[in-house]
Amino acid sequence: NAGVTQTPKFQVLKTGQSMTLQCAQDMNHNSMYWYRQDPGMGLRLIYYSASEGTTDKGEVPNGYNVSRLNKREFSLRLESAAPSQTSVYFCASRDPTGRSDTIYFGEGSWLTVV
Amino acid sequence: GENVEQHPSTLSVQEGDSAVIKCTYSDSASNYFPWYKQELGKRPQLIIDIRSNVGEKKDQRIAVTLNKTAKHFSLHITETQPEDSAVYFCAAIYLYSGGYQKVTFGTGTKLQVIP
Repeated sequence: NAGVTQTPKFQVLKTGQSMTLQCAQDMNHNSMYWYRQDPGMGLRLIYYSASEGTTDKGEVPNGYNVSRLNKREFSLRLESAAPSQTSVYFCASRDPTGRSDTIYFGEGSWLTVV
Repeated sequence: GENVEQHPSTLSVQEGDSAVIKCTYSDSASNYFPWYKQELGKRPQLIIDIRSNVGEKKDQRIAVTLNKTAKHFSLHITETQPEDSAVYFCAAIYLYSGGYQKVTFGTGTKLQVIP
């Protein structure tokens, strides 16, 4: 049982390049999230998906797009990377209809935009 | 929307002493309050949680207390050990049956336990 898996773990981009962070969970969870973590800022929600086929903006969505491909997968795309998007990105999932309220995080993706 | 404030941002304690981290929330509808521990370079992981119908919960050396009236909750770590050194995040969530619940995290507390 892998839990939440995200790739890549490390990535360096040049300003203006695009890339997609991939996330998959094998726990049959309905809700999935993308957070970014910056020093002193905690975990800030970028986008979330309540269920397959639905996505909504979080606290800091500008510069990002998401796609909930199916129940397992939730990808985050940077169309034109900017230095301000240098951060650690965490994908997470939980099952609001299940017995556990635990949020499970992926291992994180370290992104540097130069 | 929900706003969660967490204090202090950094905390240093001597090994064996207690550590207390406090969070306040703004939305009185929030009814679930988890605490996450994040070691350096690792993912956040749940260490303890509490629901609004409970005032205190304990698990070995860690405990969480909740004051619904004042809208604050605290994490207590007793007999601290070097392996407790990490960043701790609180969160406030409104749970209801079915549907989506947005999760709001505090800004984190970096705890350093000095041997």
